[in-house]
Amino acid sequence: SQTIHQWPATLVQPVGSPLSLECTVEGTSNPNLYWYRQAAGRGLQLLFYSVGIGQISSEVPQNLSASRPQDRQFILSSKKLLLSDSGFYLCAWSGYSRGGSPLHFGNGTRLTVT
Amino acid sequence: AQKVTQAQTEISVVEKEDVTLDCVYETRDTTYYLFWYKQPPSGELVFLIRRNSFDEQNEISGRYSWNFQKSTSSFNFTITASQVVDSAVYFCALVLYNQGGKLIFGQGTELSVKP
Repeated sequence: SQTIHQWPATLVQPVGSPLSLECTVEGTSNPNLYWYRQAAGRGLQLLFYSVGIGQISSEVPQNLSASRPQDRQFILSSKKLLLSDSGFYLCAWSGYSRGGSPLHFGNGTRLTVT
Repeated sequence: AQKVTQAQTEISVVEKEDVTLDCVYETRDTTYYLFWYKQPPSGELVFLIRRNSFDEQNEISGRYSWNFQKSTSSFNFTITASQVVDSAVYFCALVLYNQGGKLIFGQGTELSVKP
């Protein structure tokens, strides 16, 4: 069966520090991968998605970037964190490139920028 | 533009009551998918159901049921005989056929089931 791992679970970082969140998927090949952010107001916002190695699409211009160095690895990064980057970050995978395949989410990373 | 509206921000019920969570969506596309997800206090999003735009059959899974009505652009979710473990935030989401998995989420409804 497929599993998704996301770490760390919680992170407290000072403003201006770098960020690296990692997500890996097991049990499937060539998944679509996604990074979502959930702000305090509960809304979920798609940040990045990837349909293959090295293929990243950004949905919202921001202080963050994403990379997919391996088929089942997705990394969310920042060179310098802002206070507004605080939130709950969720990685997800799906099996098809077109709509219809449900997204399966990791447990999330709660990031607090101080 | 696509949009999902969950007008109920918070709902509180007593255990064993039935509760319906409303979801209204907007799209001009004819082919799309609708989803419901559950987010318990632990934070992960759990997939509950998917519906495509051509299948208006209602679905029942145990205590859960879903009512999809294209005429009113609604995809409502009912929990029968609610239990404390149903307490969570529930999200409705929409994705267009050619948009991969780029879900458009509603703002969520926080359901609190009290014993």
